[in-house]
Amino acid sequence: ILNVEQSPQSLHVQEGDSTNFTCSFPSSNFYALHWYRWETAKSPEALFVMTLNGDEKKKGRISATLNTKEGYSYLYIKGSQPEDSATYLCAFRALTSRDDKIIFGKGTRLHILP
Amino acid sequence: GAGVSQSPRYKVAKRGQDVALRCDPISGHVSLFWYQQALGQGPEFLTYFQNEAQLDKSGLPSDRFFAERPEGSVSTLKIQRTQQEDSAVYLCASSPPRRASGAVLRTDTQYFGPGTRLTVL
Repeated sequence: ILNVEQSPQSLHVQEGDSTNFTCSFPSSNFYALHWYRWETAKSPEALFVMTLNGDEKKKGRISATLNTKEGYSYLYIKGSQPEDSATYLCAFRALTSRDDKIIFGKGTRLHILP
Repeated sequence: GAGVSQSPRYKVAKRGQDVALRCDPISGHVSLFWYQQALGQGPEFLTYFQNEAQLDKSGLPSDRFFAERPEGSVSTLKIQRTQQEDSAVYLCASSPPRRASGAVLRTDTQYFGPGTRLTVL
């Protein structure tokens, strides 16, 4: 069974502070890692797809790194704003996965405090 | 352009009732997925279509769950004789068409709808 873990489960951050959280996945069967942001009452929005060890992706104040050898990815948010409040999901695609199936973690719920 | 849409957005059903959840994928997207997200959990895979063909239904939790995509575009997830444990958010996602070579890039992003929140009383 492929296990994708995210930590912490929930996080409260003061507006303006920077923060980061983790996604862990099986290192031996890696193909790709996706990050999504899911705001309440909206559709999950794709942030990044990462495939190569050492990959670093950036979108505005949000960036992500990937370590496939040890099986983790970090998502960083610089200078948090209220609009960053959302659940951040990572999803792992295994080398041996059928079709396009991806396995999601439970998410990190981020609350930005004004 | 229009994204993935789902209807209804909210559904309350009495236990034992049948429900039908609709997904309109992005036009031209070949692949369509259904996920179930229970409270406190991540989205869990239910089933996968490529055009009208249901290629993987290994995630459907019981034979009360049935999905179809008869014309390769709109899909319906039907749950018969709903139970309280069926209460969840049901997400639909689609992803782009195959390349001219016939290959599907396995890093293709899945584009999600807003989900249907099902509550079974």
